[in-house]
Amino acid sequence: DAKTTQPPSMDCAEGRAANLPCNHSTISGNEYVYWYRQIHSQGPQYIIHGLKNNETNEMASLIITEDRKSSTLILPHATLRDTAVYYCIVRVTNTDKLIFGTGTRLQVFP
Amino acid sequence: GAGVSQSPRYKVTKRGQDVALRCDPISGHVSLYWYRQALGQGPEFLTYFNYEAQQDKSGLPNDRFSAERPEGSISTLTIQRTEQRDSAMYRCASSPALAGGYNEQFFGPGTRLTVL
Repeated sequence: DAKTTQPPSMDCAEGRAANLPCNHSTISGNEYVYWYRQIHSQGPQYIIHGLKNNETNEMASLIITEDRKSSTLILPHATLRDTAVYYCIVRVTNTDKLIFGTGTRLQVFP
Repeated sequence: GAGVSQSPRYKVTKRGQDVALRCDPISGHVSLYWYRQALGQGPEFLTYFNYEAQQDKSGLPNDRFSAERPEGSISTLTIQRTEQRDSAMYRCASSPALAGGYNEQFFGPGTRLTVL
């Protein structure tokens, strides 16, 4: 299973863009990169996913490098409600098993 | 619409007792997953089902843990002869499609299990 590496914590000022990096250097060609977040003690919440192209939805943007060995999740205008643990996950090929790491704890401050 | 529900939300039991944790997925979702989450850690995969068939149970820690989904809807995770190290949040998730394509998992609120 491809492993991901994320910084344990980051801070971001409210209203600014939050850029959360993730390394997945052992990713295989057909493995997707998924991002979930977990606010306080709630269940994880899906944010976005991608294979090779950059993706954007109403929550965030996902930038994947050309060699696919790393990606960045961008929250364009962070709010206090975006304070959470963000997990970068490489989905195991042909299964839906998600292997969560320890994630990045993002603290958005006023 | 209703999301994934789990019951009980909290369970306190004594070491050696059996517990059964229930998951009610979103209606129509074909896949169901069980995870365990220790404090300060990310969720750890336990097992998953497509319809009633258990596809992968590689994450179950030992043979005291079992899961079933007999009619392809509600699932039960059973822990026999509980031990203190089984204390954790047990989370269930469901998704609308089978493996192989895009598949967002919707998580329930979890059952907090405490083994005394």
